[in-house]
Amino acid sequence: AQTVTQSQPEMSVQEAETVTLSCTYDTSESNYYLFWYKQPPSRQMILVIRQEAYKQQNATENRFSVNFQKAAKSFSLKISDSQLGDTAMYFCAFNPLSTFAGGTSYGKLTFGQGTILTVHP
Amino acid sequence: EAQVTQNPRYLITVTGKKLTVTCSQNMNHEYMSWYRQDPGLGLRQIYYSMNVEVTDKGDVPEGYKVSRKEKRNFPLILESPSPNQTSLYFCASSSWGNEQYFGPGTRLTVT
Repeated sequence: AQTVTQSQPEMSVQEAETVTLSCTYDTSESNYYLFWYKQPPSRQMILVIRQEAYKQQNATENRFSVNFQKAAKSFSLKISDSQLGDTAMYFCAFNPLSTFAGGTSYGKLTFGQGTILTVHP
Repeated sequence: EAQVTQNPRYLITVTGKKLTVTCSQNMNHEYMSWYRQDPGLGLRQIYYSMNVEVTDKGDVPEGYKVSRKEKRNFPLILESPSPNQTSLYFCASSSWGNEQYFGPGTRLTVT
């Protein structure tokens, strides 16, 4: 069974500064995807960034980047130039690829407990 | 507009009264899934489906049923709801290799 751990229940940062959210996971799978999702007060789940495990290069999306350490099973999210609109709950998620008779597909998705990020003006 | 819809958005019911939460997507996605979100526990997967007539249990399937008779629909059924099923529920869909698109959530209260 997979587990995903976010060890920081809450974080805060000043506007325009940089903050890093931590995520570790435990799995015996070799092929998988990792995601960071943002959940603002509206409760809508919004994809922030994703990383394919077979890619060594860390994913980036504008102000968001990850530090993916496959051997250490670590997947942290860095937010640069923090903005007030970044205030939200952030979830790390792990999605293995399952092989079955018809090919491969997503398997069971596991989320971390979430980190509440507050950006102060 | 590409979207995942859920109905109802809010529901208050009593213990034992069967209910169904509908989920529909218009993106022709193969993969659909249900999650529940509880404080301090994040989102936990209830059931998922890799395609029509193919479903499998997630981490917390007890007390829930699903069916996937059509590609676009994936209803969640609570045959006999109990108070411990009070939660925020999300439906999501994706195509293979891509991120999941989430519905707006259904807030369920069982008294």
